[in-house]
Amino acid sequence: GNSVTQMEGPVTLSEEAFLTINCTYTATGYPSLFWYVQYPGEGLQLLLKATKADDKGSNKGFEATYRKETTSFHLEKGSVQVSDSAVYFCALSDPGGGADGLTFGKGTHLIIQP
Amino acid sequence: DTEVTQTPKHLVMGMTNKKSLKCEQHMGHRAMYWYKQKAKKPPELMFVYSYEKLSINESVPSRFSPECPNSSLLNLHLHALQPEDSALYLCASSQEIDYNEQFFGPGTRLTVL
Repeated sequence: GNSVTQMEGPVTLSEEAFLTINCTYTATGYPSLFWYVQYPGEGLQLLLKATKADDKGSNKGFEATYRKETTSFHLEKGSVQVSDSAVYFCALSDPGGGADGLTFGKGTHLIIQP
Repeated sequence: DTEVTQTPKHLVMGMTNKKSLKCEQHMGHRAMYWYKQKAKKPPELMFVYSYEKLSINESVPSRFSPECPNSSLLNLHLHALQPEDSALYLCASSQEIDYNEQFFGPGTRLTVL
């Protein structure tokens, strides 16, 4: 079956620090990969996506590259802000592998201190 | 319009009550989903509708009953819930059951007393 593994945290950083949140996956088919962000008390927002190997998704200063050889989709940002504090979920979609809906990692709670 | 709306935002109900959660999207998406999210956990898939037909029931208890009246609307009927059903219920939609992103609503925070 499909699965997503990510560091759970909490991850605490100072403002303007470099961020990396690791995400690796296993999938039956050829998945699309996503990062979603959830702010306190809210639903999930799509942060970025990549649909095939070597694609780079980017949004709001965040980036992630679909690495098929290492089955990874690590999230990076060069300089984090207090407003980036949230829970980040790595997820995959693999309908070709027989799995409808998204398969999520456990989520990484990110805390940015001023 | 790239928004998924959910009502109500908060719901408190007793174990003998019957209530419904509602979800709406006007993006022309043909797949709609219900997820359940407990605190500090990822969302768990409950139901998937594709072209208004139930595609997946992930062995969810029968006290949860989904309904898709048309391609824009999704309901979740609740009856005889248990306190452990208290959670955030998220609705999502996608173009089809495919590789594209799902758009999530803000959720309904359900408390069962």
